[in-house]
Amino acid sequence: NAGVTQTPKFQVLKTGQSMTLQCAQDMNHEYMSWYRQDPGMGLRLIHYSVGAGITDQGEVPNGYNVSRSTTEDFPLRLLSAAPSQTSVYFCASSISGGAYEQYFGPGTRLTVT
Amino acid sequence: KNEVEQSPQNLTAQEGEFITINCSYSVGISALHWLQQHPGGGIVSLFMLSSGKKKHGRLIATINIQEKHSSLHITASHPRDSAVYICAVRGVSGGGADGLTFGKGTHLIIQP
Repeated sequence: NAGVTQTPKFQVLKTGQSMTLQCAQDMNHEYMSWYRQDPGMGLRLIHYSVGAGITDQGEVPNGYNVSRSTTEDFPLRLLSAAPSQTSVYFCASSISGGAYEQYFGPGTRLTVT
Repeated sequence: KNEVEQSPQNLTAQEGEFITINCSYSVGISALHWLQQHPGGGIVSLFMLSSGKKKHGRLIATINIQEKHSSLHITASHPRDSAVYICAVRGVSGGGADGLTFGKGTHLIIQP
């Protein structure tokens, strides 16, 4: 099993550009989530999905969009990048939410200039 | 919203020392996770517990539900244990997102 994979590992964007961070898992997990990690702060939930076709907002959803067309894939879209979105982004999956072991992807380091 | 506090924020110790990292939270929970983040950035799950104690190799995690407190212990610490250790909690009801609230992490350095 590859577990949770994320691409790209690093990305530099200019303000106003859009891009998609890819996340995939091969463990048939229903629950997938996106977090951002900023210096001096704990990870914060951006968006989550409890299954294919079902997504919802987390704590810090503004400026981001998600979709879940398959169980395996959960891409995160930045609609119009801003310097405040400079962060490290982690995708995670679990069988079903926070009561189960969490599996994290390797992260994407995004810089917006 | 649950507030998760970890202490200490930074810890430097010598190889072989017994290490304790603490996590306190403000509201009742149904599950608590301990995670490890290595300098390369990847995050791995160490423990998930809702009561009592769990042990895996040199790592021990305990939780006291009444006191809203958990500890992560490392016995016979080794330089390869150097990492950021993160505590995260799931609320009693899970909530709509059923996500986790994370502490800011404890940065541990074990010197040879």
